[in-house]
Amino acid sequence: EPEVTQTPSHQVTQMGQEVILRCVPISNHLYFYWYRQILGQKVEFLVSFYNNEISEKSEIFDDQFSVERPDGSNFTLKIRSTKLEDSAMYFCASSEGSDMNTEAFFGQGTRLTVV
Amino acid sequence: DAKTTQPTSMDCAEGRAANLPCNHSTISGNEYVYWYRQIHSQGPQYIIHGLKNNETNEMASLIITEDRKSSTLILPHATLRDTAVYYCIVRVANNFNKFYFGSGTKLNVKP
Repeated sequence: EPEVTQTPSHQVTQMGQEVILRCVPISNHLYFYWYRQILGQKVEFLVSFYNNEISEKSEIFDDQFSVERPDGSNFTLKIRSTKLEDSAMYFCASSEGSDMNTEAFFGQGTRLTVV
Repeated sequence: DAKTTQPTSMDCAEGRAANLPCNHSTISGNEYVYWYRQIHSQGPQYIIHGLKNNETNEMASLIITEDRKSSTLILPHATLRDTAVYYCIVRVANNFNKFYFGSGTKLNVKP
């Protein structure tokens, strides 16, 4: 069964460093998303991406964050200068369409720890 | 913002049906009800969704009331592996680009 894959599963980085989280969405999907979940808190929407541009972003997704689809398969989230409060699980998701009758599928996440 | 209300937690005996309720009294006519679950800190797993008709798949059944103000997710034979947080999500018409995850219901399946 097709699935969204994320790498790495766990990333430890020093405060101020740049990190890139990688995702391979399901192959025929056109819409891509990043969510995050701080330990013990809710899953929060960060950004949606379609046709090589951001469709929507939340207030969390500030100038420190960027997304890219560098080739036909990968979808990346970059945090330019990490802060302690960026420590969280980051989930990538993809969907075939963006209409309300289309489900999104999530990856298993990358645990980012900023020290 | 969440348009749903769910109990914080529920218990269910292994092998029995788990019935998870959700209230969405302000749902609009073209908004869908989705259910996801999250086991430990894994990624949310899609379960099922529907508009107004009852739906069934290999994982669960979704029963939506006629007035669409509430729904119930049914896991027909719960196993220990079904222990998870279950999220009922209304995908809103003017903001369908994302899913809003509330606090969900922690389902504890007990032997």
